[in-house]
Amino acid sequence: GNSVTQMEGPVTLSEEAFLTINCTYTATGYPSLFWYVQYPGEGLQLLLKATKADDKGSNKGFEATYRKETTSFHLEKGSVQVSDSAVYFCAREDSGGGADGLTFGKGTHLIIQP
Amino acid sequence: EAGVAQSPRYKIIEKRQSVAFWCNPISGHATLYWYQQILGQGPKLLIQFQNNGVVDDSQLPKDRFSAERLKGVDSTLKIQPAKLEDSAVYLCASSFWRGGEETQYFGPGTRLLVL
Repeated sequence: GNSVTQMEGPVTLSEEAFLTINCTYTATGYPSLFWYVQYPGEGLQLLLKATKADDKGSNKGFEATYRKETTSFHLEKGSVQVSDSAVYFCAREDSGGGADGLTFGKGTHLIIQP
Repeated sequence: EAGVAQSPRYKIIEKRQSVAFWCNPISGHATLYWYQQILGQGPKLLIQFQNNGVVDDSQLPKDRFSAERLKGVDSTLKIQPAKLEDSAVYLCASSFWRGGEETQYFGPGTRLLVL
């Protein structure tokens, strides 16, 4: 079946550091890819998405590029802030056709220290 | 625009008891999902509805879990009888199609503790 693998946390960085959270997915079909974020005490929010190969999703300074050749969708940010502390989930559509459930990674807890 | 509403927010029950969760999706969203999120893991899809019909329930433990969306709007998820391993956050999401793309919006979840 489908799976998503993302780096284990927690990831602890200093403010203004460069962030990379790795994510790889199983290469079944042509799924859309997503990053969701869960801030402390809040629900899951869509951070960014990409729907086809070489697309780049971006939002709030975060970026991720859909790499079909490496089946990856790594999340990056050039300069993190304390307010970015949250749990980040990478996800893929289950089949890539029509309205579809999502398969999520286990989540990466990001801690930004001032 | 109001988001996805869920209730209750928290529930504590003893094993072998029954429990029900309610979800009201964003107005106009035809597709509704229930996910289970166990502590330390990502959400796992339980069931998908398109209007009032089930599209995918392959990961729903049907011996104890049931769900319905009778009028194609609100949905309920029931567990009967509950087991200890059902302790989790139950998330409801709804989605719409625009330009051939789907975006899922999640509710705040119901946190279930089975003792």
